[in-house]
Amino acid sequence: GQNIDQPTEMTATEGAIVQINCTYQTSGFNGLFWYQQHAGEAPTFLSYNVLDGLEEKGRFSSFLSRSKGYSYLLLKELQMKDSASYLCAVRDGDYKLSFGAGTTVTVRA
Amino acid sequence: DTAVSQTPKYLVTQMGNDKSIKCEQNLGHDTMYWYKQDSKKFLKIMFSYNNKELIINETVPNRFSPKSPDKAHLNLHINSLELGDSAVYFCASSPVGLETDTQYFGPGTRLTVL
Repeated sequence: GQNIDQPTEMTATEGAIVQINCTYQTSGFNGLFWYQQHAGEAPTFLSYNVLDGLEEKGRFSSFLSRSKGYSYLLLKELQMKDSASYLCAVRDGDYKLSFGAGTTVTVRA
Repeated sequence: DTAVSQTPKYLVTQMGNDKSIKCEQNLGHDTMYWYKQDSKKFLKIMFSYNNKELIINETVPNRFSPKSPDKAHLNLHINSLELGDSAVYFCASSPVGLETDTQYFGPGTRLTVL
């Protein structure tokens, strides 16, 4: 099966920066996704990486290193509304998407 | 305007009953999915259909039977419900052939088996 690891919880202050790491071991690789899920809601797409490097989208950036099986999601200028669970998901060689258990980020005033 | 919709949003039922959850997408996507998210928030794929054909079938009890009458609909029927089936079930869809193949999730159906 696939193995995707990310921290369970992180806490940060409003306006700060938080980096959520994700390591993975999969059979083949066809891209890594980050999703945001607010409590009681559906996951929503944040970012996609298939090549090594950094993808920036406003306050959110995602980085990928395929050789290290590693990605991170960087959240800048944190806002209270960023309090949510962040899911790392990897698409394997069969194009099946597997999710990590998610990292719950709590933003404090 | 709803892209991926599911009904019902909440479902409370007794052990042993049979129930169905419906999913519809108006995005014109070719692929649809069912995921189960348990109490530990772990999101796990159950099934995937591409143009009404089953392409992914994870290790799921055969009490769970997906049905796709057309590529815009993927329903999930569950027979003989058990306590362990209590979870949130998410339907999702994605456009095959595009580079990112981003999945769009429905609002979820919270199933509680008593």
